[in-house]
Amino acid sequence: GESVGLHLPTLSVQEGDNSIINCAYSNSASDYFIWYKQESGKGPQFIIDIRSNMDKRQGQRVTVLLNKTVKHLSLQIAATQPGDSAVYFCAENRVPSGGGADGLTFGKGTHLIIQP
Amino acid sequence: NAGVTQTPKFRILKIGQSMTLQCTQDMNHNYMYWYRQDPGMGLKLIYYSVGAGITDKGEVPNGYNVSRSTTEDFPLRLELAAPSQTSVYFCASSYSSAGGQETQYFGPGTRLLVL
Repeated sequence: GESVGLHLPTLSVQEGDNSIINCAYSNSASDYFIWYKQESGKGPQFIIDIRSNMDKRQGQRVTVLLNKTVKHLSLQIAATQPGDSAVYFCAENRVPSGGGADGLTFGKGTHLIIQP
Repeated sequence: NAGVTQTPKFRILKIGQSMTLQCTQDMNHNYMYWYRQDPGMGLKLIYYSVGAGITDKGEVPNGYNVSRSTTEDFPLRLELAAPSQTSVYFCASSYSSAGGQETQYFGPGTRLLVL
């Protein structure tokens, strides 16, 4: 079936550097993508989202890029801080043609480690 | 707003026991969801609801039941607990309108261990 997957299970970066977390998706019908951050023992926390009619969206220190041609999504975090250490999940939502919701499809996650 | 709250935070069950995981949201969201997360994995959708009185199966509904009698509450029921149901359970909610579905907000999770 369709799935969302991540390229790297663990990413280690130096504090202050920029980090890029990648995600591949296979469902071309997906029209909404979200990045979540999950700290140990907590629920996923929304970071940023992007709809399929956009290529780029920026937030505070974060940027999401969507390349629909190769079905690729990335999360860029600028000037990483120790508090950025967490597992990051990309998720896609495919809105059925008849409306309604079928939830989010999550990838396995990338563990971002910020080294001092 | 408290957002999405879940109880209990942690529970140990014996095989064959039953329990209800509680979920409440105070954001007046019409959509609610239950996910499970196994170690080192992403979340998988169990059940969801698009409004009071309406529920539907997700990707992994077997062994679970839900009800949605009010907008605020969306309890998840395990009737005969099995070791395969050991997981962390997350409830989420979102608002959906004709313009599309908005971001899902998650609760803190319930850790369930079935022995």
